[in-house]
Amino acid sequence: GAGVSQSPSNKVTEKGKDVELRCDPISGHTALYWYRQSLGQGLEFLIYFQGNSAPDKSGLPSDRFSAERTGGSVSTLTIQRTQQEDSAVYLCASSLQGSGAGSLVETQYFGPGTRLLVL
Amino acid sequence: GNSVTQMEGPVTLSEEAFLTINCTYTATGYPSLFWYVQYPGEGLQLLLKATKADDKGSNKGFEATYRKETTSFHLEKGSVQVSDSAVYFCALSARNNAGNMLTFGGGTRLMVKP
Repeated sequence: GAGVSQSPSNKVTEKGKDVELRCDPISGHTALYWYRQSLGQGLEFLIYFQGNSAPDKSGLPSDRFSAERTGGSVSTLTIQRTQQEDSAVYLCASSLQGSGAGSLVETQYFGPGTRLLVL
Repeated sequence: GNSVTQMEGPVTLSEEAFLTINCTYTATGYPSLFWYVQYPGEGLQLLLKATKADDKGSNKGFEATYRKETTSFHLEKGSVQVSDSAVYFCALSARNNAGNMLTFGGGTRLMVKP
């Protein structure tokens, strides 16, 4: 079956512009995660969705970052007024449940990422 | 908070050499431990995992044992191949408000020469 897909694969934008990144999780996966991979910070967690709700937004680096998920499926990560330090690869992952007794052993399946460059 | 520390790379080996990539962690409770691999130009893939102390995860000739007493999860392979060249990430998962979010180490780049 299809894996996690992300679009666009690459995005170049000018400082101050808004960008939207999209993630299509594996069908039936209720848990969805956004991570950021940057040279200076490594791989860092941004936000988690269980269904359409995000119990923990503390990983978002600033209030310029927001995310939503609709219909328990597609998620968009929006960065407003982009800054050069936002340049990174944004990774999305999904897993079947995300919470509950078996969740710690669940595999998270990652998409190929969106490479964002802010000039 | 939770954290993962892994040896910095790059690690350069000749084909058929023995590989060890060290990984230690700090976590409250009893996390699950993972190794993910990122091949050039590709996304992160789960390589192996272990969910409790003394468990050994294995896949594609790679192994790692969950050592609670030393809070370690070192990755080993007896004979590396050129195709193993990639970046390897150690990670842990601990239940909190963020589901089973992963905390990653900094990654170790492995280069295997023929």
